[in-house]
Amino acid sequence: GNSVTQMEGPVTLSEEAFLTINCTYTATGYPSLFWYVQYPGEGLQLLLKATKADDKGSNKGFEATYRKETTSFHLEKGSVQVSDSAVYFCALSQGAGNMLTFGGGTRLMVKP
Amino acid sequence: ETGVTQSPTHLIKTRGQQVTLRCSSQSGHNTVSWYQQALGQGPQFIFQYYREEENGRGNFPPRFSGLQFPNYSSELNVNALELDDSALYLCASSLDTTYEQYFGPGTRLTVT
Repeated sequence: GNSVTQMEGPVTLSEEAFLTINCTYTATGYPSLFWYVQYPGEGLQLLLKATKADDKGSNKGFEATYRKETTSFHLEKGSVQVSDSAVYFCALSQGAGNMLTFGGGTRLMVKP
Repeated sequence: ETGVTQSPTHLIKTRGQQVTLRCSSQSGHNTVSWYQQALGQGPQFIFQYYREEENGRGNFPPRFSGLQFPNYSSELNVNALELDDSALYLCASSLDTTYEQYFGPGTRLTVT
């Protein structure tokens, strides 16, 4: 079956540092890939997505590129802010219904 | 435009009891998916409803059941509650089964 693996946290960075959160997936064919963010006490918000190989999703300074050859969708941001502190989930969807398969989440803590 | 809403926000139940969680989908959305998020883990897909019919189900026992109403709101019912059912239950709606999902804030269920 489908699965998503992402780096374990917490990831602790200083403000303005560069962020990378690794995500790899297992799926047949070409799934759509997503990054969701969850702030404390809230539900999930879609951060960015990519629907085919070599697509780059971007939003609010975050980027991720769909790499079919390495089955990866790593999340990057050039300069993090304290307000980026949250839990980040990598996910894929495939097939009828677009049901989402999530990774375990990576907690990001940004210190001033 | 009103987003996805869920009720109640928090709930405490005793093992063996039954619980009903409710979700109002975003205006114009006919598809609702339910996910269970245990503490410190990624969400897991429970089932999806499309136009009042179940459209897919994850690896959850039959004591997890659902319903979708003509206005596309939805209920998740869990019978014979177990301690491991303690989790955040997330509802997500989408325009239809091929569109991206928008999540509600979740219902935190605690089983004692």
